Amino acid sequence: ETGVTQTPRHLVMGMTNKKSLKCEQHLGHNAMYWYKQSAKKPLELMFVYNFKEQTENNSVPSRFSPECPNSSHLFLHLHTLQPEDSALYLCASSPQLAGTSTDTQYFGPGTRLTVL
Amino acid sequence: AQSVAQPEDQVNVAEGNPLTVKCTYSVSGNPYLFWYVQYPNRGLQFLLKYITGDNLVKGSYGFEAEFNKSQTSFHLKKPSALVSDSALYFCAVRPLDDKIIFGKGTRLHILP
Repeated sequence: ETGVTQTPRHLVMGMTNKKSLKCEQHLGHNAMYWYKQSAKKPLELMFVYNFKEQTENNSVPSRFSPECPNSSHLFLHLHTLQPEDSALYLCASSPQLAGTSTDTQYFGPGTRLTVL
Repeated sequence: AQSVAQPEDQVNVAEGNPLTVKCTYSVSGNPYLFWYVQYPNRGLQFLLKYITGDNLVKGSYGFEAEFNKSQTSFHLKKPSALVSDSALYFCAVRPLDDKIIFGKGTRLHILP
């Protein structure tokens, strides 16, 4: 295992529900990322955090709300999602942010989200 | 626009044969180049990366990749495929001072 854990592994929710995805990394990394993986589409970078500060939001709808209380934990709060939001949500971490040679990302196993 | 292309959705190779998974990119400057692998129900795992130096990069599980600057390619290779190599492979490019860009992925099937 890569040292990045995600819970839950599977989540089914209705469009009116509120749920949260959790990511934890035990690698001492400073940067953390949320990605969305949909079938037959490139991996979509959603959010980037560096030292707990959000550095990137790639035009993600406000129904997705990230939270990074410390460098080891990252959450993705979900509310009023749409069926097209169903996907595999991957968390990743890297020692440093882009721009250095130590920015190799390590991924968690993902949360398979189904929105009914 | 900067992009990464993996022209094959799927590659089928007989066990024991050499394999190649193709990747080309279009970015400015000299980017960092990566290959990741994803097994079923797992996250992406880092295989190898090119930063600078020797054009042939060796990575995990016997994989290697060849950087070709003139063709802007970074093809993944392995001399002898194993059934356990069957997985989804992602090429990624990180332009300097910009975010990483992933390809759509290529599904590799190794036939026993």
